[in-house]
Amino acid sequence: GAVVSQHPSRVICKSGTSVKIECRSLDFQATTMFWYRQFPKQSLMLMATSNEGSKATYEQGVEKDKFLINHASLTLSTLTVTSAHPEDSSFYICSAREGRGGYNEQFFGPGTRLTVL
Amino acid sequence: DAKTTQPPSMDCAEGRAANLPCNHSTISGNEYVYWYRQIHSQGPQYIIHGLKNNETNEMASLIITEDRKSSTLILPHATLRDTAVYYCIVRLDTGGFKTIFGAGTRLFVKA
Repeated sequence: GAVVSQHPSRVICKSGTSVKIECRSLDFQATTMFWYRQFPKQSLMLMATSNEGSKATYEQGVEKDKFLINHASLTLSTLTVTSAHPEDSSFYICSAREGRGGYNEQFFGPGTRLTVL
Repeated sequence: DAKTTQPPSMDCAEGRAANLPCNHSTISGNEYVYWYRQIHSQGPQYIIHGLKNNETNEMASLIITEDRKSSTLILPHATLRDTAVYYCIVRLDTGGFKTIFGAGTRLFVKA
């Protein structure tokens, strides 16, 4: 199946700093990318959907000024957590969809564990 | 909101079949049933999907009832590595679909 990578796999930062997480589709062009957040022992929560070249659509309750999403190319999307605080500590997972033709499978990255001290 | 209901947890003996049920009574005619699983601290992994007919691949089988209001994922010979959270999801297969995760079923495969 198609491969989605994330970098870094884990990051520890101080409160107040900004952290950027990259998501790449390695062997296909992703017209749509999704960002999820997962707290311990909870399910994945969809944060936002982004289409290449356009602004991301955020789910209700997700602060777009805090979680900046850029989908500048068909193989790269970035999530920047601005002014991170301890409550932003979570497992962030991206997902990508090719979106062409009749079959649109969604592939998930391995996740990035963010710890804010 | 998730459109599916799954038991929170299940146990299965290694080597036996694991049968994971899912209720999706409000599924619409053009929505598919998808199954993913998530092993601890990893991203979700696609398992199988179907619309009406039963489906089988190298990982699992999917049995969908005739009225499509429920389905069962079958892992024919569970191994310890199948211990994971299994998510049953209903969604469209085209257009601007979004994959919304419910609570899933935590499957424990025991030796």
